[in-house]
Amino acid sequence: GAVVSQHPSRVICKSGTSVKIECRSLDFQATTMFWYRQFPKQSLMLMATSNEGSKATYEQGVEKDKFLINHASLTLSTLTVTSAHPEDSSFYICSARDGSGMISYNEQFFGPGTRLTVL
Amino acid sequence: SQQGEEDPQALSIQEGENATMNCSYKTSINNLQWYRQNSGRGLVHLILIRSNEREKHSGRLRVTLDTSKKSSSLLITASRAADTASYFCATDAQGGSEKLVFGKGTKLTVNP
Repeated sequence: GAVVSQHPSRVICKSGTSVKIECRSLDFQATTMFWYRQFPKQSLMLMATSNEGSKATYEQGVEKDKFLINHASLTLSTLTVTSAHPEDSSFYICSARDGSGMISYNEQFFGPGTRLTVL
Repeated sequence: SQQGEEDPQALSIQEGENATMNCSYKTSINNLQWYRQNSGRGLVHLILIRSNEREKHSGRLRVTLDTSKKSSSLLITASRAADTASYFCATDAQGGSEKLVFGKGTKLTVNP
């Protein structure tokens, strides 16, 4: 149990285009999902917290209009990088929290990550 | 903001040796977790230790927590080449915050 998937695993796009990344909890309901960004050889930095049915809470310095987050259901959250630029190239990782306690209450389960390269 | 600080930043050992990684943090916590990340991959949860626990074991892993010093250590015994990865500690702040704050990580290389 406790599997979180991300799609796509890798994406290359041209500067100025928008890219959508999906994060799904496959066998539990995720009331809260988190989006992280990781630059090469660095740690994970939390970008935003996504709660099902409400607006995401963004960390300081993260542009909400650039990184659109939608958590439309208990198993799916999406991150859209709008008008992507080369500096947005990074590894984006989501995690999902099992709020129901079916698997492990409050533990975060991480997806495999999405490598975004903006040319 | 970054809360956890791991040291060393990089560690290279021979197979069979033990590897010790340390993590320090700044604020009071509910629990501390250790994660492993293979290059370019997602995170794998290794172990969670609660603020009222001092030591925890899981297989070849041993984690200690010293809340008075705001520090934790991860010991991997009898290391294997497959243990080569980056290891991160993550803390959640007291007060009900769901957020995890990750340290900078230790890159462990186990040479065969």
